[in-house]
Formats: sequence, structure tokens, C-alpha cells
Amino acid sequence: SQTIHQWPATLVQPVGSPLSLECTVEGTSNPNLYWYRQAAGRGLQLLFYSVGIGQISSEVPQNLSASRPQDRQFILSSKKLLLSDSGFYLCAWSGYPPGESSYNEQFFGPGTRLTVL
Amino acid sequence: RKEVEQDPGPFNVPEGATVAFNCTYSNSASQSFFWYRQDCRKEPKLLMSVYSSGNEDGRFTAQLNRASQYISLLIRDSKLSDSATYLCVVKPPGSARQLTFGSGTQLTVLP
Repeated sequence: SQTIHQWPATLVQPVGSPLSLECTVEGTSNPNLYWYRQAAGRGLQLLFYSVGIGQISSEVPQNLSASRPQDRQFILSSKKLLLSDSGFYLCAWSGYPPGESSYNEQFFGPGTRLTVL
Repeated sequence: RKEVEQDPGPFNVPEGATVAFNCTYSNSASQSFFWYRQDCRKEPKLLMSVYSSGNEDGRFTAQLNRASQYISLLIRDSKLSDSATYLCVVKPPGSARQLTFGSGTQLTVLP
């Protein structure tokens, strides 16, 4: 079965500091990977998605970036955090179900709760 | 108009009650539909996919009405453990990789 890991679970960072969040998936190959942010009391906002190693699509212009150095590893980074970067960061994956021709459901990791002070 | 709209609630119902949530989507060509459940401060988890003919999973029933562009979720015999936020999710056309999430409907089941 597939599992998805994220770390750290909780992070408190000062404004202007760098950020690196990591996500890894086990039990599947060539998954689509996603980074979402959920601000307090708000819906999910798609930040980045990746269909393969080194392939990153950005959905929202901001001071964040993403990288996919390995097939099942997805990293979210920032050089300088802003107060508005606070939120719940979720990594998700999707893959082809057997017999299907497209990706459907997404499955989420446990998330990282980031507070920028 | 939002791509996916849900009544945010909150819905407060007694244990054992039946509760229904509706969700509307704007793009008539949307392809796939899901309900996710999100507990407080946790990640969303897939509850069920929504099929054109409607589908049931225990106490949960999902319906799709393509003509009116809405999806519903019915929960029968509510349990305390059903308390969560329920997210309506739509796969838009031409987007093989992305899903659009509603903002969620909050449910609290009271003892």
C-alpha cells in the first residue's frame, strides 16, 4: 500500500528566515505530487504540482518554490518567509488507478503546521 | 461564481439524525466528483467518490445531478465521530492532474 510522509509536523519560524518542507511517497512510482496551503478557517489552495522529476507547475505567484529531485520526493522552499506564509501545508499524491487513463483521487500527507512570527 | 460552492454551515445535529449536504459546481463538463472529510487540524481524507448512478457506503450516500450541477452527501444515523468538515471536490475538464476543492461544510454531531 502507498504511504505519504511529511516533516516536520510543526514549525515556528521568524519572518525573513528560510523554509524547507519535505514530502516523500512510498509504494508507488511516477506519482503526481502536489503542495497545498490551507490558511486558518479557509479552503485548500493549490501551490505547486509536479508530474515528474524536475517538472514543476506553479499555480500561485509568491515567494515559495518547489522542487522534485527524485521520483517520490517533493520539497517546498522559501528564501525569506512572510507573515502571510503561515498556514497548514499539505502534500498530496495521485496515481493512475488500474484500468484508468487519468489521475483521479488525491491522497494527503499529515501536513506541516507553519507559524511565521 | 466559485468553481465549487458549499454551504459552510455549521450544521449541528443530534446523534442519530440524518443530515444532507449539497454542493454546486460551475463547469458542466466536470468529470469526476468526490467527498473528502477533514477532521480539525488534520489532513483531508477521501470519504467516497461520487458516481453518476449514485453510490452508497454504509451510512453514507452520494448523489450526482449533472443537469443541475450539484452533488449531495447524505449521512444517516449520525455518530459523534462523524463530526468533521466535509469537502466537496470536483475534477474539472481538461485538467488531468488537478482537483478543485470546496471550502467545506462543518458538521457537529451532538450527544
